[in-house]
Amino acid sequence: AQRVTQPEKLLSVFKGAPVELKCNYSYSGSPELFWYVQYSRQRLQLLLRHISRESIKGFTADLNKGETSFHLKKPFAQEEDSAMYYCALSGLNQAGTALIFGKGTTLSVSS
Amino acid sequence: DVKVTQSSRYLVKRTGEKVFLECVQDMDHENMFWYRQDPGLGLRLIYFSYDVKMKEKGDIPEGYSVSREKKERFSLILESASTNQTSMYLCASISWGRYNEQFFGPGTRLTVL
Repeated sequence: AQRVTQPEKLLSVFKGAPVELKCNYSYSGSPELFWYVQYSRQRLQLLLRHISRESIKGFTADLNKGETSFHLKKPFAQEEDSAMYYCALSGLNQAGTALIFGKGTTLSVSS
Repeated sequence: DVKVTQSSRYLVKRTGEKVFLECVQDMDHENMFWYRQDPGLGLRLIYFSYDVKMKEKGDIPEGYSVSREKKERFSLILESASTNQTSMYLCASISWGRYNEQFFGPGTRLTVL
């Protein structure tokens, strides 16, 4: 079964603390993994994708095929990082297909 | 700039009413999607369309139908609204190509009384 699991509904950290949002997946093929973010009163938007190997707003995520994970990390959290984060996957090179989303993790960063 | 718009941000309807949610994209994208977003459940795919007049059921199509008469417009229809369809509805579009980035609309918060 194709599935994305985000085990934490809510993650609360203090400003300046490291952040790790967990994502595990199950997929029978080569997956393409994404992190989407939704800030308060804004639309859902792409944060990063694994094939780009990029760092966006200080966030990075590495695809670990052995552990079937794609955890999102940031060394020093900022208050403006507070948002809902969704991990999602699709088939690699299956451009245009629907994404499978996890249930989301709310990140709350307080000072 | 990429743009996906939805006809209403907030909508209140009564049980049994027929409800239309409209989505328009100006990026000439072939594929369009309707999701519903519920706390603790994430995003669940209702229907998607990969071409004009083409549609495919997603994971939770029951109680919904869709219409795609023009490439830029994808409508979600609730034939007879029920209270369990109270939710946030998100439209998205994507173009064929190497990268699979979906662009989302702002969402429609539907309340069925």
